[in-house]
Amino acid sequence: GENVEQHPSTLSVQEGDSAVIKCTYSDSASNYFPWYKQELGKGPQLIIDIRSNVGEKKDQRIAVTLNKTAKHFSLHITETQPEDSAVYFCAGMNTDKLIFGTGTRLQVFP
Amino acid sequence: DAGVIQSPRHEVTEMGQEVTLRCKPISGHNSLFWYRQTMMRGLELLIYFNNNVPIDDSGMPEDRFSAKMPNASFSTLKIQPSEPRDSAVYFCASRPQRGSYEQYFGPGTRLTVT
Repeated sequence: GENVEQHPSTLSVQEGDSAVIKCTYSDSASNYFPWYKQELGKGPQLIIDIRSNVGEKKDQRIAVTLNKTAKHFSLHITETQPEDSAVYFCAGMNTDKLIFGTGTRLQVFP
Repeated sequence: DAGVIQSPRHEVTEMGQEVTLRCKPISGHNSLFWYRQTMMRGLELLIYFNNNVPIDDSGMPEDRFSAKMPNASFSTLKIQPSEPRDSAVYFCASRPQRGSYEQYFGPGTRLTVT
């Protein structure tokens, strides 16, 4: 089955800097890769996703890149703000089920 | 638009008691997923339904767990009897239709079993 690994587990950046979170997956048949943001006491919120037929997708300050050959994908946040502080999860989809990474706690210091 | 609704938001119960968690998916969504989140195991899929039919329950930990979806707007996850190791946050998520992939999560139910 699918296995998704996520790094780093914690990330601290200064406001205005960029943040990058990386994930690898094991099943080459996986075809959908979402990213979720989870704030304290709330459910995960879908922030961006990418399908396997696309190499990059951007939405304002966030972007996701996918390398199918290497089986890894990354989340890029530019011009970070304190409100970006949260736990971020990547996931891969295999046979209709999402398999989540272990999460990255991002702290943005003003 | 109302998102996924879960109740209760917090539940504290004693070991051995029955616990029922409730979920109302987003109107018009055809798939519903139950997840459990713990520090040790992260986010795990327990079971999911398409058009009210259970499709995959391989993530259900044991027979003490059961889930139902009697109609398109309501689902329950029941634990009987509950044990301290069931303490976790339980999330429900819904998806628009089987051809789309996006899942939208509810706020979760924090369960504590003492």
